[in-house]
Amino acid sequence: AQSVTQLDSQVPVFEEAPVELRCNYSSSVSVYLFWYVQYPNQGLQLLLKYLSGSTLVESINGFEAEFNKSQTSFHLRKPSVHISDTAEYFCAVSKRGNKLVFGAGTILRVKS
Amino acid sequence: DVKVTQSSRYLVKRTGEKVFLECVQDMDHENMFWYRQDPGLGLRLIYFSYDVKMKEKGDIPEGYSVSREKKERFSLILESASTNQTSMYLCATQLRQGDSYEQYFGPGTRLTVT
Repeated sequence: AQSVTQLDSQVPVFEEAPVELRCNYSSSVSVYLFWYVQYPNQGLQLLLKYLSGSTLVESINGFEAEFNKSQTSFHLRKPSVHISDTAEYFCAVSKRGNKLVFGAGTILRVKS
Repeated sequence: DVKVTQSSRYLVKRTGEKVFLECVQDMDHENMFWYRQDPGLGLRLIYFSYDVKMKEKGDIPEGYSVSREKKERFSLILESASTNQTSMYLCATQLRQGDSYEQYFGPGTRLTVT
């Protein structure tokens, strides 16, 4: 069975500082990997995904994540965060692309 | 623009009541999902459906049932609500074919069972 571990439940960071949200997964087969973001009082939105090809994937708002097969990780990074990045971030894994298994979530709090 | 709507943002029900949560999508997606979201547990899959009148159990189906009579509508039913079903419920849709695999989420229904 697949599982996803998000190592930090909350990450406080000052505005314009870099941030890394960690995600590790367990699976015996090839998987697809996703990061979703949930802004306060909203549903989840896809931030970025890894399906195949380049192991570094980027989002339109400056986040990036790198698929590391040997370490079974898919950490999310941003070199300089903004107040508007405050949200909860979920890492998810899928074996065939339909059913997703989610991590527990990481709340990113950006402080001014 | 993609749109997934859920019938209520907030709902308060009493223990033992039958509760219906509705999800409607306008994207002609085949796959639809119901999750519950709890702090520290992330999202857990309750049920999903690949087509009209088809349903499969997810990871936590106990105490829930679903109905999909039309492609655009997927209902979650709590036959006899209990306090441990107090949670945020999220509906999602997905195109069955294609290489995107993206799931589109509704805004959620926060259910409180007293």
